[in-house]
Amino acid sequence: DTGVSQDPRHKITKRGQNVTFRCDPISEHNRLYWYRQTLGQGPEFLTYFQNEAQLEKSRLLSDRFSAERPKGSFSTLEIQRTEQGDSAMYLCASSLVERNEQFFGPGTRLTVL
Amino acid sequence: AQTVTQSQPEMSVQEAETVTLSCTYDTSENNYYLFWYKQPPSRQMILVIRQEAYKQQNATENRFSVNFQKAAKSFSLKISDSQLGDTAMYFCAFMKPVLTGGGNKLTFGTGTQLKVEL
Repeated sequence: DTGVSQDPRHKITKRGQNVTFRCDPISEHNRLYWYRQTLGQGPEFLTYFQNEAQLEKSRLLSDRFSAERPKGSFSTLEIQRTEQGDSAMYLCASSLVERNEQFFGPGTRLTVL
Repeated sequence: AQTVTQSQPEMSVQEAETVTLSCTYDTSENNYYLFWYKQPPSRQMILVIRQEAYKQQNATENRFSVNFQKAAKSFSLKISDSQLGDTAMYFCAFMKPVLTGGGNKLTFGTGTQLKVEL
């Protein structure tokens, strides 16, 4: 399968714990995006990378959130000191710079108890 | 900032019938892209159709077509010959392209849950 993959698919954690999600984009895609989707809402942009450079971060991305794409391939999104309000589906997407179509992964569903 | 509005939270249609999903958006940009994405119960988002704002011709993809009214900032999706597999959440999305400093990030509406019934 050469699509976007995300791991884990589901994560349940207790409030205050740290969690890390991984996204593997389509191999030749140089852009990678993170979105957050809460129940009944459309996805909201969090941040994006072009190769290894993080080019934009949303105001939704508080100081507890950090994302990396160290070698320009896979990316990680870490949430420190999780809060119940962080419960959501975290979606990753990738694209080529010269193309406007984003391909989405299956998402990681986070539940903070 | 751009906003996307989908005023129909839920819709239903009989199999083989035609349904139209509405979307309006607000932007001061002249060059942009509009998309319809489908999110089936399995949750993976799939691109349905794309429209470039500079093209007057409405995009079509098999049973899916759009009615793009740039002046009215309206972008509706028509699904013809509806099939059970079309049951999903449909999201309208706006993109300001890279060349105009947009970064290609998507701004989504709140979605329309479409149910296709026998």
